[in-house]
Amino acid sequence: DTEVTQTPKHLVMGMTNKKSLKCEQHMGHRAMYWYKQKAKKPPELMFVYSYEKLSINESVPSRFSPECPNSSLLNLHLPALQPEDSALYLCASSQEGSVMNTEAFFGQGTRLTVV
Amino acid sequence: GESVGLHLPTLSVQEGDNSIINCAYSNSASDYFIWYKQESGKGPQFIIDIRSNMDKRQGQRVTVLLNKTVKHLSLQIAATQPGDSAVYFCAEEYSSASKIIFGSGTRLSIRP
Repeated sequence: DTEVTQTPKHLVMGMTNKKSLKCEQHMGHRAMYWYKQKAKKPPELMFVYSYEKLSINESVPSRFSPECPNSSLLNLHLPALQPEDSALYLCASSQEGSVMNTEAFFGQGTRLTVV
Repeated sequence: GESVGLHLPTLSVQEGDNSIINCAYSNSASDYFIWYKQESGKGPQFIIDIRSNMDKRQGQRVTVLLNKTVKHLSLQIAATQPGDSAVYFCAEEYSSASKIIFGSGTRLSIRP
């Protein structure tokens, strides 16, 4: 199994809805990532978890709240967002913290629309 | 800040021809480079990688060339097929930083 599974695939939410994005992998990877991708732009790193601990936060606004409940799961909690947060949110995982030592696998993404 | 950029936003090639996608990077401290393919509605898919102590690496139908002198990276796809249509991103990782930084992407389209 070399899959990173993200749910839901599509999400439409109001600015004050509380929703969560979920990511799951069963490859035994110990590093997991959240990326944000706007249309026709490259993915931008948001967070990195290494061994279930947050290791990198790329100055992401506090309205995005990541959580890594165990080594297979990664969540992104969205308590209140802005329309400009609409984007494709990608989850990735790799065996170790440095992708130089192993390939990073990406999920299909969650297409988020904030109305 | 540091960035990874691409020379051309779009590339159109005849089916069966070879494709060359170029990428410039500015961080001389980067020591690992990756090419990703992203098809419509999907996440990025690993194609090939290269470490900074190498200048060439070959895979199946793909070759990556690295020129550290001019900070240039290229992806060559042999005998381009319709299934190669996608956006291609080069990406770099800073040593031990666990940060994959993506370049701006090139859309490859195939003419029949």
